[in-house]
Amino acid sequence: EAQVTQNPRYLITVTGKKLTVTCSQNMNHEYMSWYRQDPGLGLRQIYYSMNVEVTDKGDVPEGYKVSRKEKRNFPLILESPSPNQTSLYFCASRSGKGAQYFGPGTRLLVL
Amino acid sequence: AQSVSQHNHHVILSEAASLELGCNYSYGGTVNLFWYVQYPGQHLQLLLKYFSGDPLVKGIKGFEAEFIKSKFSFNLRKPSVQWSDTAEYFCAVGMDSSYKLIFGSGTRLLVRP
Repeated sequence: EAQVTQNPRYLITVTGKKLTVTCSQNMNHEYMSWYRQDPGLGLRQIYYSMNVEVTDKGDVPEGYKVSRKEKRNFPLILESPSPNQTSLYFCASRSGKGAQYFGPGTRLLVL
Repeated sequence: AQSVSQHNHHVILSEAASLELGCNYSYGGTVNLFWYVQYPGQHLQLLLKYFSGDPLVKGIKGFEAEFIKSKFSFNLRKPSVQWSDTAEYFCAVGMDSSYKLIFGSGTRLLVRP
């Protein structure tokens, strides 16, 4: 089954404690991206990757890092989380200009 | 800068009413257009997409959308909504050769039984 998976689905952490949210897709898509979703703001792109070892900032990259060492994986790293990063995070992948497929989401609470 | 606007932030309808959600974008080049739906507690799922050809696109669950190039619009429609259509709906636009999709801020639809 074609899918995008994310882990963990729910996470509570404290300010400053580094965390990583994993994302994996099994569709051999070149393009992957991370979004955060906040009430009234819709989806905002954090980072994206055009292919292995190619990443770039989206609209709200501050406080986040990513890496793309393999085509299927695109982890999101919060080196020092802060409360304003409490949000719902979605990973997505896309092949060419086709439709974008989303993961199930990771709900993060930073205390 | 390119943008996507969804003017209706909240819509409340009764079952069997007709639905039309507006989506406008600001870009003069070639676009690929999408509508996504997010049911409560779930991730975004593709409802329908437009790349080229017939500007009237049919999607899943009885939804359709019409691309009007002159109006830079891609409105979503459904003739008769059901309670199960209660969800948030997002319009998204891909521009020219860019992989990036720009999303609207979403429209929350509540369908009353």
